[in-house]
Amino acid sequence: AQSVTQPDIHITVSEGASLELRCNYSYGATPYLFWYVQSPGQGLQLLLKYFSGDTLVQGIKGFEAEFKRSQSSFNLRKPSVHWSDAAEYFCAVVPFSGGYNKLIFGAGTRLAVHP
Amino acid sequence: DAGVIQSPRHEVTEMGQEVTLRCKPISGHDYLFWYRQTMMRGLELLIYFNNNVPIDDSGMPEDRFSAKMPNASFSTLKIQPSEPRDSAVYFCASSWGRTAAEKLFFGSGTQLSVL
Repeated sequence: AQSVTQPDIHITVSEGASLELRCNYSYGATPYLFWYVQSPGQGLQLLLKYFSGDTLVQGIKGFEAEFKRSQSSFNLRKPSVHWSDAAEYFCAVVPFSGGYNKLIFGAGTRLAVHP
Repeated sequence: DAGVIQSPRHEVTEMGQEVTLRCKPISGHDYLFWYRQTMMRGLELLIYFNNNVPIDDSGMPEDRFSAKMPNASFSTLKIQPSEPRDSAVYFCASSWGRTAAEKLFFGSGTQLSVL
């Protein structure tokens, strides 16, 4: 079945530590790939996106993500986490069916940051 | 630009009552999306419009839900009658262009509680 999976529901890291959030997708063709962040009580904000080309994508707030076709993954990384990064992170895809207009979200990973 | 505006921010109602959620998209955007977020099901696309016309309502859970977009600057999502399982955060998002899902702008959401 077509899906986007975020295996980790909760992750806790110490401030200053590195971070990697996992995302895997299951679609026949590589979909467009996105990472969004949702702060408490807020809507979603786009961090970065991948359509094609360079497999390492830079985003806002110091985040980056790497697309790995062989693993059907699009993991989000940050070298040094700040307390303000505590939020929920969503991986999302736009599959090539449906006219490129249906953004499908993973279940999300909630990030806690310890001082 | 004020962004996508949703009202109300919070709605508390009793089972059986009619609920109307409102959304004002960003001026110039020709796509409007309604999403629902729950702990159990995550973020689900309910329906989206293009140029005020509903394009895909396959995510609307049942006939109790209806959405309209009478003009380019306003949309409503109505639940009648409401049930406790409808309790969720409802997000509206708007965008533009052929691949609208690549650049969604989300509102802050309406927190609905049905008692």
